[in-house]
Amino acid sequence: DIQMTQSPSSLSASVGDRVTITCRASQSITRSLNWYQQKPGKAPNLLIYAASSLQSGVPSRFNGSGSGTDFTLTISSLQPEDFATYYCQQTYSTLMYTFGQGTNLEIK
Amino acid sequence: EVQLVESGGGLVKPGGSLRLSCAASGFTFSSYNMNWVRQAPGKGLEWVSSITSSSTYIFYADSLKGRFTISRDNAKNSLYLQMNSLRAEDTAVYYCARDERRYSSGRYYESLDYWGQGTLVTVSS
Repeated sequence: DIQMTQSPSSLSASVGDRVTITCRASQSITRSLNWYQQKPGKAPNLLIYAASSLQSGVPSRFNGSGSGTDFTLTISSLQPEDFATYYCQQTYSTLMYTFGQGTNLEIK
Repeated sequence: EVQLVESGGGLVKPGGSLRLSCAASGFTFSSYNMNWVRQAPGKGLEWVSSITSSSTYIFYADSLKGRFTISRDNAKNSLYLQMNSLRAEDTAVYYCARDERRYSSGRYYESLDYWGQGTLVTVSS
């Protein structure tokens, strides 16, 4: 099975900050990597698919990059509504997906 | 508007069974692979199971060890998850999610682009 490791597990930042979350796969997954945002009590929301493609309706301050085993999600200028938990997900293994453990982004 | 609405959650005793349903609308259900994803209280997301559009291929997380069965009825635009021999560690919110497949640079890329609101399953005596 492909394992996904996110870092950091939690992160404190201020409005306007630039933040980066990383995700590492246990083997190469080419660009089959998605990022989701989840707010308390809500379903996850797709932000980035195929490592760097922005999902429709998602603000351009969200940027994804990487390929192979190492990926990053960058939020260029944090807004109040961005404080949430972020998950990466590999979809390289067809229909046998795995998620990272999540990164909790908190207000400093 | 795409909508996914789960139902069937509730309180069940260890060893019991439960069947979850997910009603889909706003898209051609029979054209999409579908998934179940769960989230234990205070924990992260865990992929549970996937089913292809015509039910030809089905996949499960190794941790389920044959206790869960995914199915779908394209005529009813519905996805199901039959859960047997339930354990306390199966307590979670269960989400159904649509699997979007996009082609780019020579291969397909999947992502879960629409999710339901979730249904809570509590396994406790």
